[in-house]
Amino acid sequence: AQTVTQSQPEMSVQEAETVTLSCTYDTSESDYYLFWYKQPPSRQMILVIRQEAYKQQNATENRFSVNFQKAAKSFSLKISDSQLGDAAMYFCAYRSPRAQKLVFGQGTRLTINP
Amino acid sequence: DAGVIQSPRHEVTEMGQEVTLRCKPISGHNSLFWYRQTMMRGLELLIYFNNNVPIDDSGMPEDRFSAKMPNASFSTLKIQPSEPRDSAVYFCASSGTRGLYGYTFGSGTRLTVV
Repeated sequence: AQTVTQSQPEMSVQEAETVTLSCTYDTSESDYYLFWYKQPPSRQMILVIRQEAYKQQNATENRFSVNFQKAAKSFSLKISDSQLGDAAMYFCAYRSPRAQKLVFGQGTRLTINP
Repeated sequence: DAGVIQSPRHEVTEMGQEVTLRCKPISGHNSLFWYRQTMMRGLELLIYFNNNVPIDDSGMPEDRFSAKMPNASFSTLKIQPSEPRDSAVYFCASSGTRGLYGYTFGSGTRLTVV
C-alpha cells in the first residue's frame, strides 16, 4: 500500500520569505498523481497544486511550485514571497491511476510571522 | 457550480443519539468519499463510492457507522449510536474520472458528541 510521509509537523517563515515543505511517498507504481492541499483555519480543503508522475517538468501555480524527484520519491512544495494568508495546514497526497482514493500525509502546520 | 455541499456545518449531540451527515457532490462527478479528520489520526478515509456503489468501506470504524448513496446527487453518513470518540470533522469529497484533478472537498461537518 502506498504511504505518504510529511516529516515536518510545523514550520514557520517570515513574511515575504520562501519556505519549502517536504513530502516523501512510497509506491511501486510508475504512474501516479501527487497533490498539495491547503487547510486554513476555516477548515476548507483547498487544492494548491498537482503533478503527474510521468511529467518531468515541475508544476507551478503562481507563488507555489514543486520539486518533484521521482527516483527519490520526493515531492516538496515551495512557497515564494510568503503571505499571511498562506498560514495553514498543508497536506501532501498521492493518488494511484488505478484507484480513486487519495492517500494523505499527516500534514505540516505553516505559520507566517509578520 | 456550488461545489460539494455538506450539512450540517456543526452538530452537537448526546452520546447514544443517532447522527446523520449529508453530502451533495458536484454534478458529473462519479466518485464520492467520506473522510474523518482528528488531531490524533489525521485524515482517514472511511468509505468511497463509485457510480453510487460502495467500493471500499474498510475504513469504517465499526458497525455503528453506515453510509449510503441512493443516487448520484446525495449521500449520507450515519452514526448510530454515537459516542464521544466519534467527535471529529467529517469531510465529503467528490471526484471525476480523471485522477489528475484530485478531489473537491466540502466544508466539513464538525461533530461533537457529549
